[in-house]
Amino acid sequence: DVVLTQTPPTLSATIGQSVSISCRSSQSLLHSNGNTYLNWLLQRPGQPPQLLIYLVSRLESGVPNRFSGSGSGTDFTLKISGVEAEDLGVYYCVQSTHAPTFGSGTKLEIK
Amino acid sequence: QVQLQQSGAELVKPGTSVKLSCKASGYTFTSNHMNWIKQTTGQGLEWIGIINPGSGGTSYNVKFKGKATLTVDKSSSTAFMQLSSLTPEDSAVYYCARHGSSSYVMDAWGQGASVTVSS
Repeated sequence: DVVLTQTPPTLSATIGQSVSISCRSSQSLLHSNGNTYLNWLLQRPGQPPQLLIYLVSRLESGVPNRFSGSGSGTDFTLKISGVEAEDLGVYYCVQSTHAPTFGSGTKLEIK
Repeated sequence: QVQLQQSGAELVKPGTSVKLSCKASGYTFTSNHMNWIKQTTGQGLEWIGIINPGSGGTSYNVKFKGKATLTVDKSSSTAFMQLSSLTPEDSAVYYCARHGSSSYVMDAWGQGASVTVSS
C-alpha cells in the first residue's frame, strides 16, 4: 500500500494567516499516463469530507482560490493563503494513482 | 445538485451482517463509479472498494475482500454495501462517495452511516 505521511498533525492559525500542510508519499504518484492523482479533502466538524483540490493543483468547483496545491512525485503541499474561520477542520491528502489511500490528517484550529 | 443519501445508523450483533444503502440523485447514476470508505478514530480513512454501476464490476481493497460486498440497483440509482461476519473492529462510520469523471477521486460524499457492532 502507498503510505501518505502528513505534517503537521495539528496547526493553529489566526484569521488571515497563511499556512501550509505537507503530504509525502512512500511511492511516486506519477501515473504512467502522465497524471499525478494527489488530492486534498477537508472534513469540517460533524460533516463528511469534501474535495478541495484534485490532480495536485486543480481547484474543485466552488472552492475559494485561497486554497492552492503544489508538488510532484512524492512531495506535495496544500497552502491556505489567508485562513478564514470556515477553514477549520481536518485536512486529508488522498492518492488515487494506486489503490486509494489517505493521509492521517492535519487538524486546523483557529486561534 | 449531486446528492448521496445514505441509510441510517445500525446497531448490530457480532457475527451478523448489515447492508448499507446509498441513493444517488442529481446526476446519471451509471456515469460515475461509486466508492465506499471506512472512517474510524484509530485507523482514519480507509478505502474499501469501488463499483461501476453500469456494469456491476468491482474492485476491492485486499483488506476488505471477503468482508464487504458491493452491489447496485440501477432502477433506483442506489448503491449497496454488505458487511459480513461483523466484529467490534467493524464499528465505524461508512461513507459512499462518487468517483469524479474528471477528477478521478471522490468528488461527492454521502453523509455517512454509523455501524456499531456490540452484543
